[in-house]
Amino acid sequence: SQQGEEDPQALSIQEGENATMNCSYKTSINNLQWYRQNSGRGLVHLILIRSNEREKHSGRLRVTLDTSKKSSSLLITASRAADTASYFCATARQGAQKLVFGQGTRLTINP
Amino acid sequence: SQTIHQWPATLVQPVGSPLSLECTVEGTSNPNLYWYRQAAGRGLQLLFYSIGIDQISSEVPQNLSASRPQDRQFILSSKKLLLSDSGFYLCAWRATDRHTGELFFGEGSRLTVL
Repeated sequence: SQQGEEDPQALSIQEGENATMNCSYKTSINNLQWYRQNSGRGLVHLILIRSNEREKHSGRLRVTLDTSKKSSSLLITASRAADTASYFCATARQGAQKLVFGQGTRLTINP
Repeated sequence: SQTIHQWPATLVQPVGSPLSLECTVEGTSNPNLYWYRQAAGRGLQLLFYSIGIDQISSEVPQNLSASRPQDRQFILSSKKLLLSDSGFYLCAWRATDRHTGELFFGEGSRLTVL
């Protein structure tokens, strides 16, 4: 069964605003990752947060992880039109060879 | 640097015809390899993964099979395509020394079965 479930399914905001996407999962994890997919392209890794970390930053990205609630959030600050894409969380369980992806959030940044 | 190639990029096939999608990785050795399928507007479904030559794990029993004849080559096949096989197929690799590290994806193969 799918581990990560993103919320909302779609998000449309104005350029310059912040965008927040959430991910919930069901079982214990080793780490949680966020990926970006432009329309019709492959996925690109954005950021990885380990189960013993609570927050991580990378440029305009901020990821939080709450293992007690089994949830994560991805914040994109000062959004740009080029941030328009689908964003997926993926979870890796301890000792597992595979990543399980959620359904994604489709983000649209309006100029 | 490492690169991943996937082809063909687009494929239109009739129902009942065979399928072969190929993926190769360059610049790394003994990678973990993965095939995912993505339905339109949906998430990724893991189909197969491989931790070594001729070592294939199937996640979803279906009309597809995978093979890894060489260390950096991963092939997705079908003997007879179904309409439900249509989708966007993504190959990915990961370094084996990082069991739960990041995946690197190819550009995908869009399959339409008519």
